[in-house]
Amino acid sequence: DAGITQSPRHKVTETGTPVTLRCHQTENHRYMYWYRQDPGHGLRLIHYSYGVKDTDKGEVSDGYSVSRSKTEDFLLTLESATSSQTSVYFCAITKDSNTEAFFGQGTRLTVV
Amino acid sequence: AQSVTQLGSHVSVSEGALVLLRCNYSSSVPPYLFWYVQYPNQGLQLLLKYTTGATLVKGINGFEAEFKKSETSFHLTKPSAHMSDAAEYFCAVTNPNRDDKIIFGKGTRLHILP
Repeated sequence: DAGITQSPRHKVTETGTPVTLRCHQTENHRYMYWYRQDPGHGLRLIHYSYGVKDTDKGEVSDGYSVSRSKTEDFLLTLESATSSQTSVYFCAITKDSNTEAFFGQGTRLTVV
Repeated sequence: AQSVTQLGSHVSVSEGALVLLRCNYSSSVPPYLFWYVQYPNQGLQLLLKYTTGATLVKGINGFEAEFKKSETSFHLTKPSAHMSDAAEYFCAVTNPNRDDKIIFGKGTRLHILP
């Protein structure tokens, strides 16, 4: 199994509070992604990174920011959480942009 | 722009019956195609992939898929369903252009009836 760890695995937070999710990889893959998964919507790309300090927006980036200061870590921050951000968040990595993705176990975030 | 459409958000088959999950794609260049499986409370795992070469691709757990360019399809099949196959399945597409990302379908939940 690819070495991808997401933390925390579960989190409940209040509306308006900041939240940071962490993705850590041990594969030295260049590309890292954050997706959210919601019923009826499948996987939607939030942000991705193609190298240290190189990031770009996905299709649902509003309300989210990311940082990648090291190859192995990719952080997703919700600056001020809203109930619409209640979801399951997945981190994924790829060696190149068009190769198969390896996924973390997911983080279930509930905003109350 | 690329896209992928999975026909049927839910599919039910009896144990021992043929599994057929449909995926159609849109791509301006020859695509790379993937099927992933997601078991409850887990991340996605790669089932199989097509890049170039043989159009019939075999994956894990007895699944296979055939790339049909004329039909722009990459349907997933398994001859005999097992209860352990109950999961959500995602088709995905990308292409050899290294600037493109993987695009996922919305998923098909497979139910196995005893």
